[in-house]
Amino acid sequence: GAVVSQHPSRVICKSGTSVKIECRSLDFQATTMFWYRQFPKKSLMLMATSNEGSKATYEQGVEKDKFLINHASLTLSTLTVTSAHPEDSSFYICSARDSSLTDTQYFGPGTRLTVL
Amino acid sequence: AQSVSQHNHHVILSEAASLELGCNYSYGGTVNLFWYVQYPGQHLQLLLKYFSGDPLVKGIKGFEAEFIKSKFSFNLRKPSVQWSDTAEYFCAVRSGGATNKLIFGTGTLLAVQP
Repeated sequence: GAVVSQHPSRVICKSGTSVKIECRSLDFQATTMFWYRQFPKKSLMLMATSNEGSKATYEQGVEKDKFLINHASLTLSTLTVTSAHPEDSSFYICSARDSSLTDTQYFGPGTRLTVL
Repeated sequence: AQSVSQHNHHVILSEAASLELGCNYSYGGTVNLFWYVQYPGQHLQLLLKYFSGDPLVKGIKGFEAEFIKSKFSFNLRKPSVQWSDTAEYFCAVRSGGATNKLIFGTGTLLAVQP
């Protein structure tokens, strides 16, 4: 199947700093990418939908100024957690939608963010 | 709003037992249905999907799922589980609307005992 990569896989940062997470579709073009947050023993919560060349669409309750999303190319989307706080510690997962015949979402391996 | 419910949060089976995981969704229009699996320490992988046609869908690793429109259900089945099937299983629904968002159920943790 298609491959989606995320970088970094783990990051530890101090409270108040910003962290950027990259998501890449390696063997297909993705006009739409999605960012999820997964809490321990919980399901994936959709944070925002990222469309190439346009502004992201955020889900209710997700602060767009805190979670900045950029989708500058058909293979790259970035999530920047600004002024991170300990409550932002979580597992962030990106997903890219293959809009070809398969029309399936493929998931990255996730990024474990720990804010001290 | 769409929602997906998975009734079994934690299932424990012995090897060779049969598996059925329930998934129900609430949405009145056209839907695409998915089952994803997350093995320990790994990322989500697609098991199978239903878009249209034959409501009985066969996926990888011997899994299958049946779409029953009248029951708004898409249950996952496997006749004989193996220890390597130990994982968390997520049902997901995507509406045919403009948003095309994938909405996940809360997941079912399957533990297969050897």
